[in-house]
Amino acid sequence: AQTVTQSQPEMSVQEAETVTLSCTYDTSESDYYLFWYKQPPSRQMILVIRQEAYKQQNATENRFSVNFQKAAKSFSLKISDSQLGDAAMYFCAYHRTNAGKSTFGDGTTLTVKP
Amino acid sequence: DTEVTQTPKHLVMGMTNKKSLKCEQHMGHRAMYWYKQKAKKPPELMFVYSYEKLSINESVPSRFSPECPNSSLLNLHLHALQPEDSALYLCASSQSWTGRETQYFGPGTRLLVL
Repeated sequence: AQTVTQSQPEMSVQEAETVTLSCTYDTSESDYYLFWYKQPPSRQMILVIRQEAYKQQNATENRFSVNFQKAAKSFSLKISDSQLGDAAMYFCAYHRTNAGKSTFGDGTTLTVKP
Repeated sequence: DTEVTQTPKHLVMGMTNKKSLKCEQHMGHRAMYWYKQKAKKPPELMFVYSYEKLSINESVPSRFSPECPNSSLLNLHLHALQPEDSALYLCASSQSWTGRETQYFGPGTRLLVL
């Protein structure tokens, strides 16, 4: 079974600084997708960024970027120029192609200090 | 419109009550999901519907009964729940269940079972 591990239950960052959230996963599959979701205190979960495993290029989305190391099964999220609105719980998720369901990590709570 | 709506926002019910949660999306998505989320935990998948057919049931107790009347609507019927069923119930949808598409989450229904 696939597992997703987020080793940092809590992280904090100063406003305007950069922070990296870690995620590792375990799978024997070669075709899958990885996601970072953000769940602010209001609780609606939204997509931050996604990565296709077959693509070597790291995904970027404005201030958010990933460091995808397929061989190491690592998928970290970098948030640059952190803003107060980035404060949330961040979940890393793995989805095997055509499997119908995602496996989520336990989440990392990010605090942004003004 | 990239919105998934859920009603009600909050629900309090006794252990002998029957209630229903409703989820709606108008994005033309063909996969819809029910998740259960406890505080500070990742969402736990309950059910997946694909093309209005139940595709995945994660061994959920029969006191939870899903229904997909049409491609835009997903219901979760609740009966004889236990206090430990108190949680945030999230609905999500995606274009398909292949994994490559993003899941769009609703704001959730916060359920309290007394």
